[in-house]
Amino acid sequence: GQNIDQPTEMTATEGAIVQINCTYQTSGFNGLFWYQQHAGEAPTFLSYNVLDGLEEKGRFSSFLSRSKGYSYLLLKELQMKDSASYLCAVARGSTLGRLYFGRGTQLTVWP
Amino acid sequence: EAGVVQSPRYKIIEKKQPVAFWCNPISGHNTLYWYLQNLGQGPELLIRYENEEAVDDSQLPKDRFSAERLKGVDSTLKIQPAELGDSAVYLCASSLRAGQETQYFGPGTRLLVL
Repeated sequence: GQNIDQPTEMTATEGAIVQINCTYQTSGFNGLFWYQQHAGEAPTFLSYNVLDGLEEKGRFSSFLSRSKGYSYLLLKELQMKDSASYLCAVARGSTLGRLYFGRGTQLTVWP
Repeated sequence: EAGVVQSPRYKIIEKKQPVAFWCNPISGHNTLYWYLQNLGQGPELLIRYENEEAVDDSQLPKDRFSAERLKGVDSTLKIQPAELGDSAVYLCASSLRAGQETQYFGPGTRLLVL
């Protein structure tokens, strides 16, 4: 595997901010994706980082540090509908097109 | 624009029976992927197609699994015979091409082998 590690579960309350971390060890790094997956549904694309830094998209932001093998997904102004599994996935240049997924972080947002 | 379509959504079979899953990717997407997702895990790639060519099938258990994408559009994944451990969600995804292109997933087929 690609040693992709993310917390199994997180909880937060409506309106709060939560940060979901992802660490990885891989050769030939070619980008990192975050997907959201509601129970029983397809993963949906949230963000893509290939260069270091922060990418902001509405309430969601994603950060990447290639030297540290580290990324996080930041969710602001949490809503109940944000309760889902968040999947971190790494792309490698040598296996073009193959994504290596972490186990996912199950986020529960409480009222 | 229609997303990735998969059928059936659910399938229950007895072990040793054959089963097939169908996927129609987003129109114009040349790359098609089949993933396996076990409960509480992330998806794992089974096979990737570039048009009609299988270019990455190293993770496909070829003794019982097969796949085809004859005309480079829709695809079928087959298991014969199914085993209890094959119970999982089978996800299909597509992208314009391989590499850094975003992959778009279908709703998946949830398979239960009894």
